[in-house]
Amino acid sequence: DAGVIQSPRHEVTEMGQEVTLRCKPISGHDYLFWYRQTMMRGLELLIYFNNNVPIDDSGMPEDRFSAKMPNASFSTLKIQPSEPRDSAVYFCASALAAGNEQFFGPGTRLTVL
Amino acid sequence: AQSVTQPDIHITVSEGASLELRCNYSYGATPYLFWYVQSPGQGLQLLLKYFSGDTLVQGIKGFEAEFKRSQSSFNLRKPSVHWSDAAEYFCAVVPMEYGNKLVFGAGTILRVKS
Repeated sequence: DAGVIQSPRHEVTEMGQEVTLRCKPISGHDYLFWYRQTMMRGLELLIYFNNNVPIDDSGMPEDRFSAKMPNASFSTLKIQPSEPRDSAVYFCASALAAGNEQFFGPGTRLTVL
Repeated sequence: AQSVTQPDIHITVSEGASLELRCNYSYGATPYLFWYVQSPGQGLQLLLKYFSGDTLVQGIKGFEAEFKRSQSSFNLRKPSVHWSDAAEYFCAVVPMEYGNKLVFGAGTILRVKS
């Protein structure tokens, strides 16, 4: 298996633009997680899905952030409009079952100018 | 407050020396416990995990960790560090009372000097 795939690996955009991050989980994994990593706040869980259904989005910072999982093999995290404080590395992870180890993608480094 | 604590932000060890990275958690029930490693510019890789049973668990790359219930600790150890072990190490838990959420410590950056 190729592991968790994220695209793009790097994204540079200007404040106010829409940003879409993409994730393909490991086939057969029922759980998908989106994290954000910054120097100040460390690793934060933004949202997670079980069988394509959002279960907990309490970590989503504000309404500018939204996430979808239209099918078992694809998820997006969208920021609209983007702001400089959104600059971070965004990780996607997937897991086979509840409480199991999570497999992380390589991350998307987002820079908002 | 319920949390995962890694008290050491940075640790520097000499190549060939032993290593211990500390992790404490403060949750009521014993959570599932994990150690992840992150190399610069990379994602997180699982080193080892503890769910139940033997409190000394072996992981990849020669790492091991010991769960101590009485101390609410899950410290990571390696008997002889290699230069390639330089990375950031994260302790993480899945607290039983919080479902499937993985809660991370702040991380410990390991530097290895030759």
